[in-house]
Amino acid sequence: AQSVTQLGSHVSVSEGALVLLRCNYSSSVPPYLFWYVQYPNQGLQLLLKYTSAATLVKGINGFEAEFKKSETSFHLTKPSAHMSDAAEYFCAVSLGGALNFGKGTSLLVTP
Amino acid sequence: NAGVMQNPRHLVRRRGQEARLRCSPMKGHSHVYWYRQLPEEGLKFMVYLQKENIIDESGMPKERFSAEFPKEGPSILRIQQVVRGDSAAYFCASSPPGGSANNEQFFGPGTRLTVL
Repeated sequence: AQSVTQLGSHVSVSEGALVLLRCNYSSSVPPYLFWYVQYPNQGLQLLLKYTSAATLVKGINGFEAEFKKSETSFHLTKPSAHMSDAAEYFCAVSLGGALNFGKGTSLLVTP
Repeated sequence: NAGVMQNPRHLVRRRGQEARLRCSPMKGHSHVYWYRQLPEEGLKFMVYLQKENIIDESGMPKERFSAEFPKEGPSILRIQQVVRGDSAAYFCASSPPGGSANNEQFFGPGTRLTVL
């Protein structure tokens, strides 16, 4: 079975600072990995996905993530946080069909 | 091109009543997924359907919950005899035909169910 663990349920950064949201996966076969963002009272929007084509994946809104097999990680980063980045971020893994989500990381951006 | 539609957006039911949640996938999408989000938790997979078929219902509670995706019309998630523990946000997602693992799932805005 595949699963993901998100380290840190809450992360706070200053506007303009680096954003780093951590995600580690567990899978017996090469997985497909996703990062989604959820704004209050809304559905989820895909930020980026890893499908084995390239280990460094660039997504929307300046986010990117690097797949590291040796560390079983898929951490999400953004060089400079904006106030509008404040939201809930979910890492997810799939081998087909259902997505298995982590518990989420709430990102707070302070002025 | 309309996205995934869910209705109602908010639903209030008393214990013992039935709740019906509707999901219309994106145009051209034939795969529908239902997820439940409880407070302070991530989304939990419930069921995966294609037109007239349940592909994976491993996340569905054994009793009171059912889902369908008929040939015509929206997908329906039905909860019979609701209890307070059913209060949650229910999200529907859809994906295009093909069903490969790396297909993006497009999410609807969710239905927030409150059981009094």
